[in-house]
Amino acid sequence: LAKTTQPISMDSYEGQEVNITCSHNNIATNDYITWYQQFPSQGPRFIIQGYKTKVTNEVASLFIPADRKSSTLSLPRVSLSDTAVYYCLVGDRTNAGKSTFGDGTTLTVKP
Amino acid sequence: DAGVTQSPTHLIKTRGQQVTLRCSPKSGHDTVSWYQQALGQGPQFIFQYYEEEERQRGNFPDRFSGHQFPNYSSELNVNALLLGDSALYLCASSLAVRAGVNEQFFGPGTRLTVL
Repeated sequence: LAKTTQPISMDSYEGQEVNITCSHNNIATNDYITWYQQFPSQGPRFIIQGYKTKVTNEVASLFIPADRKSSTLSLPRVSLSDTAVYYCLVGDRTNAGKSTFGDGTTLTVKP
Repeated sequence: DAGVTQSPTHLIKTRGQQVTLRCSPKSGHDTVSWYQQALGQGPQFIFQYYEEEERQRGNFPDRFSGHQFPNYSSELNVNALLLGDSALYLCASSLAVRAGVNEQFFGPGTRLTVL
């Protein structure tokens, strides 16, 4: 399983764009990159998934360079409610349960 | 459309006891995965069930076992509980084969405390 490395914590202010980078040097050819958000005492919630280049949905963008050894989750104009732990996962898309969660990045959004 | 549900919400056991946790997947999903999340850490994959069989397993001892029923619901059993088994146990459901994005839907978890 590809190991991921993320910053332990990040601070931001309301209205700013936040970029969280994840390193995954040993990513395999079949691996996808998936990001989850988790609030205290809740299960993780899917944010976005991608394989290469750029993926955008209604809540975030995911940037993946050509070598796929890292990825960046971009959250536009964060609010206080975006304060949470963000996890980067790398794994085979068809084996959803086999992807490995790291310790995540704790994002704190301040007013 | 019901999401993933888990029961019970909280559970307190003593060392050496056995526990059974239950999970109902999101409607239409056929795959259930179980995770253990210790305080301050990311979820750790225990195992995954599909077609009533264990398909994948993480680095957990045989004290951890599971079952999937024909209606896709699942149980996680832990025998001979240790203090270190205290954690939030998460169930996640997904579709085994799907074109496009393959996301897992997580339940709220069961908080297990072993005394």
